[in-house]
Amino acid sequence: EVQLVESGGGLVQPGGSLRLSCAASGFTFSNSAMSWVRQAPGKGLEWVSAISGSSGRTYYADSLKGRFTISRDNSKSTLYLQMNSLRAEDTAIYYCAKVAAATPPRWFDPWGQGTLVTVSS
Amino acid sequence: QSALTQPASVSGSPGQSITISCTGTSSDVGGYNYVSWYQQHPGKAPKFMIYDVSNRPSGVSNRFSGSKSGNTASLTISGLQAEDEADYYCSSYTSSSTYVFGTGTKVTVL
Repeated sequence: EVQLVESGGGLVQPGGSLRLSCAASGFTFSNSAMSWVRQAPGKGLEWVSAISGSSGRTYYADSLKGRFTISRDNSKSTLYLQMNSLRAEDTAIYYCAKVAAATPPRWFDPWGQGTLVTVSS
Repeated sequence: QSALTQPASVSGSPGQSITISCTGTSSDVGGYNYVSWYQQHPGKAPKFMIYDVSNRPSGVSNRFSGSKSGNTASLTISGLQAEDEADYYCSSYTSSSTYVFGTGTKVTVL
């Protein structure tokens, strides 16, 4: 069974940093593109970032302006999201998702249960 | 990377059919047949429902169908059931090799 388990969320002050992790199992992680998607309280889904499986090429939403960095450790089957200079508007549930094994990878399945990040003083 | 436009809410009675639209641009919805749809119940993670505009993954009811015309994709739910009450989001691959989600539609079963 494919499983994605996020961790690392919590309360952080504005301007602070946080690193999210997503532990993957049940599939060949190193071959799979992965992504982060977030959802602010009561709001819609917002794509954040993606990383390819083989080359590790990264992609980001323009709105992040270089504050977030996606990475992966294939030896640990783990995806990461380093978030710096956090703002109140970054408060959201952050979901990890596997991106389809297609060319190009173009749908998200499955999704983890999400981890809540709250940016507040 | 502006969000794709969806109606905020759509409602229908049990057994009826409803359609949710998803409007983008030629750089996303209109440029590729790479639209997917997701269902999200309150407090739950999204569930993958449709890929490549009109294809259903195994396990998804054939009451769900997708289509596209120009820059607008659509999700139709036929034979509406109480369990279909949820939020629905479209998503598209873009010309920048990124992804964009729709604004979301709340489906209410009357």
